[in-house]
Amino acid sequence: EIVMTQSPGTLSVSPGERATLSCRASQSVGGNLAWYQQKPGQAPRLLIYAASTRATGIPARFSGSGSGTQFTLTISSLQSEDFAVYYCQQYNNWPLAFGGGTKVEIK
Amino acid sequence: QMQLQESGPGLVRPSETLSLTCSVSGGSLLSYYWSWVRQPAGKGLEFIGRIHASGSTNYNSSLNGRVTMSVDTSKKQFSLKLTSVTAADTAVYYCARGSDWFNPWGQGTLVTVSS
Repeated sequence: EIVMTQSPGTLSVSPGERATLSCRASQSVGGNLAWYQQKPGQAPRLLIYAASTRATGIPARFSGSGSGTQFTLTISSLQSEDFAVYYCQQYNNWPLAFGGGTKVEIK
Repeated sequence: QMQLQESGPGLVRPSETLSLTCSVSGGSLLSYYWSWVRQPAGKGLEFIGRIHASGSTNYNSSLNGRVTMSVDTSKKQFSLKLTSVTAADTAVYYCARGSDWFNPWGQGTLVTVSS
């Protein structure tokens, strides 16, 4: 079973700054990784799949990179609506698994 | 646009069976996989399992064989049953479209296991 580890647990960023979130898999997942955003009281929203492909309607300030065991989600210039919890998820191996999340908070 | 909506009891007694239904609107249920994910309060996401419109299923073994999923294409619904529940099964349960990544998601429904 693949374990997904996200870091940091909490990231404090000022609006307009860049945020870099990391996700590490316990073994290679190739490029089979997705990222989600979740705001309080809401369902997760798909941001990125296939490690770097933005889902429909996702702003260009969100970008994903990486392969194998190391992945990054970058938010180029944080907007007020971007403060949320972000989860990575691998779909290369069964069972599908999520990371523990990174909370992006206002600095 | 496609929308998903979970429904079912918000309170389940310990040792009983949790039953939820997800209704799909704004699109076809056919040719897709449909999944269930849960989230205990203040915690992360756990994948429960998936079902294809054909009825083929895959379950996360972490649920120790307690999961059954079904689909009713005529009603555009799919369902989750989780048997022998305990307090550890208390969570928000989400339905979602997809077998790999998930999009879209339902709004989620809180199920509390308590006597």
